Amino acid sequence: QQQVKQSPQSLIVQKGGISIINCAYENTAFDYFPWYQQFPGKGPALLIAIRPDVSEKKEGRFTISFNKSAKQFSLHIMDSQPGDSATYFCAAIQGGKLIFGQGTELSVKP
Amino acid sequence: GAVVSQHPSWVICKSGTSVKIECRSLDFQATTMFWYRQFPKQSLMLMATSNEGSKATYEQGVEKDKFLINHASLTLSTLTVTSAHPEDSSFYICSATTTQGGGTYNEQFFGPGTRLTVL
Repeated sequence: QQQVKQSPQSLIVQKGGISIINCAYENTAFDYFPWYQQFPGKGPALLIAIRPDVSEKKEGRFTISFNKSAKQFSLHIMDSQPGDSATYFCAAIQGGKLIFGQGTELSVKP
Repeated sequence: GAVVSQHPSWVICKSGTSVKIECRSLDFQATTMFWYRQFPKQSLMLMATSNEGSKATYEQGVEKDKFLINHASLTLSTLTVTSAHPEDSSFYICSATTTQGGGTYNEQFFGPGTRLTVL
């Protein structure tokens, strides 16, 4: 059973556009929600993270929106650039363990 | 800071042999290290959690006798794939965390991964 569901599986965005990736979860025991960026052949790197008592967090071009009642959260990448092309994973944490979503392969076209 | 390295970055071995992968925290002491495997175009799946000086805790479905984990020091954990078979071919990634930062969440810092191909 997939505890964190992520969509879409792949996303193509024009340079300068907004990339939106969505995630949903069921387990209310999750207490932290990070997003990771992974380039081919590399390990994932933390991009931005949010606690469940916060509805939005922004860092530069990256924003997390969090809806606790709906058990959903999303990543918005503003002014998307070709260098943002990578696979993005949402995740949830329980007891120190990371549970990853399925991943979204983002391609930003110049 | 917070750099995690893995060695080797890629390895090719024959079926039936054993392969050891090292994970090192270079500039911090890792109280806990995690091992993940990732198949192409798929997500990371946690294999096991190891704390320095104690036995690793394996996730359900992961064979502990096949994937031997040793966390001998606060900066080194090793994963040994014993009697490797082609289905063990995957991308193995470690992460390390420390309690030194405080707070409610101890960030996991990921290594660059090791590509294992079993012929």
